[in-house]
Amino acid sequence: GNSVTQMEGPVTLSEEAFLTINCTYTATGYPSLFWYVQYPGEGLQLLLKATKADDKGSNKGFEATYRKETTSFHLEKGSVQVSDSAVYFCALSGNAGGTSYGKLTFGQGTILTVHP
Amino acid sequence: SQTIHQWPATLVQPVGSPLSLECTVEGTSNPNLYWYRQAAGRGLQLLFYSVGIGQISSEVPQNLSASRPQDRQFILSSKKLLLSDSGFYLCAWSGPDRGQPQHFGDGTRLSIL
Repeated sequence: GNSVTQMEGPVTLSEEAFLTINCTYTATGYPSLFWYVQYPGEGLQLLLKATKADDKGSNKGFEATYRKETTSFHLEKGSVQVSDSAVYFCALSGNAGGTSYGKLTFGQGTILTVHP
Repeated sequence: SQTIHQWPATLVQPVGSPLSLECTVEGTSNPNLYWYRQAAGRGLQLLFYSVGIGQISSEVPQNLSASRPQDRQFILSSKKLLLSDSGFYLCAWSGPDRGQPQHFGDGTRLSIL
C-alpha cells in the first residue's frame, strides 16, 4: 500500500535559517503529492502541491520538487520566520486504479519551531 | 469559492453522553467528505469517508458513526462517548477525482470528562 515517511522532528531553527524537511513516499502508479501546514489549534492548510514528476510546487517562499527517481518531495524554504512555526505534513493521493476515492496518505508530521 | 464549516469549535462532554459534530461544505457539489481524528497535534487518523449521499465507509472499528444526509453535510456521531474519544476532530472535502487535495475545516476539540 501507499506510505509516506517524514523526517523526525522537532526541528528548531533561528530566524532566517534555511529549512529542509525530508519526505519520501511509496506508492503505485503516479500519485499527487502535497504539503500541508497546521498552526496551533487550527485545521490543516494546503501549502503546496505537485501532480507529476519534476513538478515544483511553491507558495509563501516554500518549495518542493516531485522527484520520482528518488520517490521524494522535500520541503524547503530559504529563510524561515517565527511565523512559520507549525506542524508540517507531507501527503500523497494515489492516482492508480482501485477504490482510493481521493484518500490521502499522510506522514506523521514534523514540528518546526523558529526562534527570533 | 468553496468553504467548509465545522462546529462546534470546542466541546466538553461527560462519559456516556451522545455526540453530534457537523460539517458543511459550500460552493461545490458532490464532494468527497472525510472525518479525521488527530491525537496530540500529530498523526491524522482517517475515521470515515463518503463519496455520496448515504454512502459511508469506515476505516477503523470504533465507538463512532458517520452520516451524510445531504450532499454537502457530513455528521459524526456517537451514542455513548468513551474517554478514549477525546481528541481533535477534523472534517475535510475534496473533488470527486483522484489526485486532488483535501481541504480542511478548523476542527473540533472534544474533551471527555
